[in-house]
Amino acid sequence: DTAVSQTPKYLVTQMGNDKSIKCEQNLGHDTMYWYKQDSKKFLKIMFSYNNKELIINETVPNRFSPKSPDKAHLNLHINSLELGDSAVYFCASSQVMGAENEQFFGPGTRLTVL
Amino acid sequence: DQQVKQNSPSLSVQEGRISILNCDYTNSMFDYFLWYKKYPAEGPTFLISISSIKDKNEDGRFTVFLNKSAKHLSLHIVPSQPGDSAVYFCAATSGTYKYIFGTGTRLKVLA
Repeated sequence: DTAVSQTPKYLVTQMGNDKSIKCEQNLGHDTMYWYKQDSKKFLKIMFSYNNKELIINETVPNRFSPKSPDKAHLNLHINSLELGDSAVYFCASSQVMGAENEQFFGPGTRLTVL
Repeated sequence: DQQVKQNSPSLSVQEGRISILNCDYTNSMFDYFLWYKKYPAEGPTFLISISSIKDKNEDGRFTVFLNKSAKHLSLHIVPSQPGDSAVYFCAATSGTYKYIFGTGTRLKVLA
């Protein structure tokens, strides 16, 4: 019974394509996040949504557009993919916003742009 | 600017011995610290945390120590078990939901 799930697990695509990664959490959490882990293993926050509302956008190119159709879902759409977008993308959720509310992570989506 | 640093990319420890993973930070505004554990092909999972008002927090075999003056925290695992072999990330935050992660330390516990 997966708490935070992501699809697909692997995504290989050509430069210039548009792709989406889906995330769903069944924990009843209010806040969801997208993180990017690059080749240097830095795990950096990209976006945060609280109750379907965008709270933070961490200097992410406009080609990345998160969409939250409801509290349980936060999808990531990427336009005009570039080589530098290759990374592992993790979705996460927490009960409420705040430091002491641990974040639960999905298994990650490994994106490879050729 | 890397605000959270884990300077040891890897660590090997014999089963039953103590594992000590270290983490340094530069931002004095950080007031809450967490350790996450990550197995291959899985997302990070929460392990233990500590608030800046404390200098130690213990949960079973896992203890986190915080030295605010040195801006240093460490995770102690004792006794270490083969199932503890994973990548450990420390993270820090300044009273918000925004976690700043280190680059991780790969722990290998040898049977």
